[in-house]
Amino acid sequence: AQTVTQSQPEMSVQEAETVTLSCTYDTSESDYYLFWYKQPPSRQMILVIRQEAYKQQNATENRFSVNFQKAAKSFSLKISDSQLGDAAMYFCAYGGNEKLTFGTGTRLTIIP
Amino acid sequence: GAVVSQHPSWVICKSGTSVKIECRSLDFQATTMFWYRQFPKQSLMLMATSNEGSKATYEQGVEKDKFLINHASLTLSTLTVTSAHPEDSSFYICSASRQGAGEQYFGPGTRLTVT
Repeated sequence: AQTVTQSQPEMSVQEAETVTLSCTYDTSESDYYLFWYKQPPSRQMILVIRQEAYKQQNATENRFSVNFQKAAKSFSLKISDSQLGDAAMYFCAYGGNEKLTFGTGTRLTIIP
Repeated sequence: GAVVSQHPSWVICKSGTSVKIECRSLDFQATTMFWYRQFPKQSLMLMATSNEGSKATYEQGVEKDKFLINHASLTLSTLTVTSAHPEDSSFYICSASRQGAGEQYFGPGTRLTVT
């Protein structure tokens, strides 16, 4: 069974600074997706970024980028120029055969 | 595009009664819908996966007789919590996927409180 581990229950960062959230996963599959989701206080799940495992190039979406290390089964999220609106729970998720397996989440606090 | 709605957003019911939660894909046909449960300050746990016209596939430990899932069309899935008890109080989230999309689209969630 696939597992996703987020070892940082809480992180904080100064506004405008950069923060990296860690995620590791375990799978025997070769083709899969990895995701980072943001869950603000409204609890609506918002897709931040997606990585397809067969693509070597790291995905980027504006201020958000990932460091995908397939051999190490590592998938970290870097948030640049942190903004107050980035404060939320962040979940790393593994997607294979359509099902998603989520990590335990990292609560990100932005310090003004 | 790819909007998923849930209704109701918040429901309170008495212990022993049943409650139905609807999940709709508003602007696409969902080949598969998923139901998750999220306890406070915890992650999402997949309860079941359903395909239109087929019986739902439940995750291990989820009581299929208690959490009835119906996927009647390509845009609607319902979750019925039967004989609800206070321990069923939780946040229920649905998601939907379309063929080839490679991602799930999430509804806003339903907060269930059983008194």
